[in-house]
Amino acid sequence: GAVVSQHPSRVICKSGTSVKIECRSLDFQATTMFWYRQFPKQSLMLMATSNEGSKATYEQGVEKDKFLINHASLTLSTLTVTSAHPEDSSFYICSATRDMNTGELFFGEGSRLTVL
Amino acid sequence: AQSVTQLDSQVPVFEEAPVELRCNYSSSVSVYLFWYVQYPNQGLQLLLKYLSGSTLVKGINGFEAEFNKSQTSFHLRKPSVHISDTAEYFCAVSDLDKGAQKLVFGQGTRLTINP
Repeated sequence: GAVVSQHPSRVICKSGTSVKIECRSLDFQATTMFWYRQFPKQSLMLMATSNEGSKATYEQGVEKDKFLINHASLTLSTLTVTSAHPEDSSFYICSATRDMNTGELFFGEGSRLTVL
Repeated sequence: AQSVTQLDSQVPVFEEAPVELRCNYSSSVSVYLFWYVQYPNQGLQLLLKYLSGSTLVKGINGFEAEFNKSQTSFHLRKPSVHISDTAEYFCAVSDLDKGAQKLVFGQGTRLTINP
């Protein structure tokens, strides 16, 4: 089956630094990927839609300059948390679709970011 | 705007007992409906989905769900649960106009299976 992989699975960084999280579709090409944020014991909140070869579409309330998304190829999207602060600590999950008509998303394993 | 309500935040069940996890949605347009499972510190795995056709949908791991348009519900059921079913379950909806991939998730239901 389709596999989406995220890296790193866990990252700890100091406040003020930037962190990059990668999302790869391993056995299919994904023109669209999605980035979510999940707070402890809460649901997933869509942050942005990553489109290959174009700018990402951000959801209302998500800071574009804070969460930089790059979708440079059909198999890779990256989320960079810039100048991270403790309130950015969260579980970040990406997803990708192989077929825009079937409605099935394949999710990555998630990346837990802890900002000290 | 769409919304999804999972009525139970936690559901404790004994092993081999049946379980139902409730999900209600609101939308002004036709929708796709999904159930996902999340194990600790992992991403989400699709259990089943309703796109069209039969309202009773069968998924992986013995789960099934029934789409009820009049009640705007999509409850998840399993006749006999196992310890390995302990996880967080999310109901999600997307509307046909926005594409099947832009999902709105419910708050999640933590299913705990007790021996």
